[in-house]
Formats: sequence, structure tokens, C-alpha cells
Amino acid sequence: GQNIDQPTEMTATEGAIVQINCTYQTSGFNGLFWYQQHAGEAPTFLSYNVLDGLEEKGRFSSFLSRSKGYSYLLLKELQMKDSASYLCADMDSNYQLIWGAGTKLIIKP
Amino acid sequence: NAGVTQTPKFRVLKTGQSMTLLCAQDMNHEYMYWYRQDPGMGLRLIHYSVGEGTTAKGEVPDGYNVSRLKKQNFLLGLESAAPSQTSVYFCASSPSGESQPQHFGDGTRLSIL
Repeated sequence: GQNIDQPTEMTATEGAIVQINCTYQTSGFNGLFWYQQHAGEAPTFLSYNVLDGLEEKGRFSSFLSRSKGYSYLLLKELQMKDSASYLCADMDSNYQLIWGAGTKLIIKP
Repeated sequence: NAGVTQTPKFRVLKTGQSMTLLCAQDMNHEYMYWYRQDPGMGLRLIHYSVGEGTTAKGEVPDGYNVSRLKKQNFLLGLESAAPSQTSVYFCASSPSGESQPQHFGDGTRLSIL
């Protein structure tokens, strides 16, 4: 079967660091995507990993371990505007995205 | 630069009514997708298209039809709306299907009474 798991909700403090985990089990693998979705808005692309390791983009980094079926999104120097849902999606052997339910991140002052 | 545009943004229907959701993209993308997003669930693929004149079923196609007569447009039709189709519908596009990010429209919030 195909399954993506990520925590439902996380809370963090402004200025801190937070790590959002994602585990996946899908038929085939063609990369792991992270998207950000503010309430009532469209998902927007954050990162893509297809090889093991860490990809860094400013305050956001994404890590992949294919052997463990595991990824995380690391957000540094949290800002209030980072309050959003973060969606993990695995691209399967048919190049279709299998989406997790999303992690709602709440930032407190 | 509009990107992906969805119309309408909101709609309320009665059970049994029909309607069409329109998606237009100005990025010359080959691939287009229709998803629905429900509380507590991941985005689920309804139908998709890999090019003008082609369509294919996704994970949850029942009760929906699609057409891609022009490369820039992807229409989603509900023939006879049911309360279970109350959802937020997102259209997305990508240059190709391989390892490229999808770009999303702002969504259509549809309620079926």
C-alpha cells in the first residue's frame, strides 16, 4: 500500500528551530516534496529531495533518507508568518504525488 | 504573471445539480491535475492530463468528468452533485510529470446541500 505519515500539529516559539518529520511507504520512489499551505490558500512548493542528504534553502532545509523512508523539514529562526500547514508528498513509480495530511505548525510569540 | 487561475472561488449547489469548474494556466505546462482537499486528509487526485486532448483517472474519479480541449485549460465537471463532494478543489500544473513541482491555483470552495 501507499502511506505518508506526518504529525497532525506542532507548536514552536518565534525565533526557535522546528523539525517536521515525514515517513513514507509507496510503490516506487521518484522524490519527496515539501509544500507550505497557509490557511485558506494554495499549497506552494518549498523543496524537493531525490537523493539522500540535506538540501538547504535559506531558513528552510529538507533531509531525505531513502533507506529509512524518512524525510524532515527543518525551519530555523521561526517567524510568525511561518504559521501554516506543511505538506509532505512522495512521488511514486507512476510519477503521481501521494500526499500526507499535513502538519499544522503554530508559532507562539 | 497569473500562473494557475481557478473559477469560481466559491459555490453552493443543491444535491443533483451540475456544474463545471474551470482551471486556466499561462505557463505552457503540459501536465494538469485536479485534486480535492478534505479536513484531516491529504490532497487526493481526481483526474489528470498529460497533454492537450488527454485525460486519465486519479485516485478518486467517481462522480467527476474532465476535459482538456486546449492546453491551457482543464475543466472539472460534476454531473449530479452529492453532499460527499463538498470539498475544496485545487487545480495544479507542471511542465512535465517527472520530478518537477506542481503549481497550484487558489482553490474552489464547493458546498453541496
